[in-house]
Amino acid sequence: DQQVKQNSPSLSVQEGRISILNCDYTNSMFDYFLWYKKYPAEGPTFLISISSIKDKNEDGRFTVFLNKSAKHLSLHIVPSQPGDSAVYFCAASAYFGNEKLTFGTGTRLTIIP
Amino acid sequence: EAQVTQNPRYLITVTGKKLTVTCSQNMNHEYMSWYRQDPGLGLRQIYYSMNVEVTDKGDVPEGYKVSRKEKRNFPLILESPSPNQTSLYFCASSPLAGNSGNTIYFGEGSWLTVV
Repeated sequence: DQQVKQNSPSLSVQEGRISILNCDYTNSMFDYFLWYKKYPAEGPTFLISISSIKDKNEDGRFTVFLNKSAKHLSLHIVPSQPGDSAVYFCAASAYFGNEKLTFGTGTRLTIIP
Repeated sequence: EAQVTQNPRYLITVTGKKLTVTCSQNMNHEYMSWYRQDPGLGLRQIYYSMNVEVTDKGDVPEGYKVSRKEKRNFPLILESPSPNQTSLYFCASSPLAGNSGNTIYFGEGSWLTVV
């Protein structure tokens, strides 16, 4: 039972354009959401997060949007850069500060120069 | 430098031969956890520990054991490995008080192949 789903296993985007990665969840108890980025041969690293009291959070080129009614979140990267090529995981937890994260299946983003 | 260190990074072993993957963190974190990453399944939690001598099952604990005798170490034990445990394993740690997911640190991963 996959509670956090990333339906696109891969995505290719031209450098300079917007990358949009999507994530859906089924557990209505989730109220804190995170995005992690993973390069080959490295562990995941934190990118950006959002709590359920917000619908948007920005950090530089990265913005996360949350639609609670649709149980959907998305990560926007603008403008996309070659160094953004990586696997992106969304993750969710049942309350802020709970380390027990449920991860999605990941989306491999490739930025085309 | 804040680190989560796993060993070995790569291992090929045979079915049934007990093995241990070590994990050590130098940040005095209370919380430690093991995940496995498989194609199409993402990262799934195996076991976690909230502090010394406190461990609990994650989502996929079958076939694994853990121990937390010291705060800095959290080894993952495969008593009788089977081919379906071939995977990429990640250890993670974080502080407990006032934490959030952005303070979870992951190790670099251990590739395990069971033949």
